[in-house]
Amino acid sequence: DIQMTQSPSSLSASVGDRVAITCRASQSISVYLNWYRQKAGKAPELLLYAASTLQSGVPSRFSGSGSGTVFTLTIYSLQPEDSAIYYCQQSYSIPRTFGQGTKLEIK
Amino acid sequence: EVHLVESGGGLVQPGRSLRLSCVASGFSLDDYAMHWVRQVPGKGLEWVSGISWNSGSIGYADSVKGRFTISRDNARNSLYLHMNTLRPEDTALYYCAKDRGTGLVLYYFDYWGQGTLVTVSS
Repeated sequence: DIQMTQSPSSLSASVGDRVAITCRASQSISVYLNWYRQKAGKAPELLLYAASTLQSGVPSRFSGSGSGTVFTLTIYSLQPEDSAIYYCQQSYSIPRTFGQGTKLEIK
Repeated sequence: EVHLVESGGGLVQPGRSLRLSCVASGFSLDDYAMHWVRQVPGKGLEWVSGISWNSGSIGYADSVKGRFTISRDNARNSLYLHMNTLRPEDTALYYCAKDRGTGLVLYYFDYWGQGTLVTVSS
């Protein structure tokens, strides 16, 4: 199974800041990496797929990069509504493993 | 508009069975693969099982293999998860999720339901 490891596990930042979350795969997954956001009490929602493609309707302040084993989700100009847990997920093979999540708090 | 509505959760004793359902609307189920993902309250996401558009490919997490069975009825626009020999560690919120593709890999989960809670306890 492919293990997905996110860092940091949590972070705190202010409105207007830029933050980055890293996701590492235990083996190469090409660009088959997706990012989801889960707000408190809600179902997860897709932010980006194929490492860097923004899902329709997602603000352009979200950006993704990477390939192989290391990927980054960058959020520019943080907004209060970005407070959530962010998960990466590989779609390279079964089982479709997720990272453990990164909790983002807005100060 | 796409909607996924799960049902069938509840309180069940260890060793018993339960069947979850997910009814889809706003799209044709037989064009896409579907998945079940679970989440222990306060914890992360765990992929449980997936089924391709025509049921030709099916996959399970090791933690449920041999106990859970995924199935679909495209004519009824419905996805199911038959859960046998339930354990306390199966307690979680179970989400159904629509895949953007027809198979189990390469794509992403573009729509999720709101989940149905399964509690396994005596």
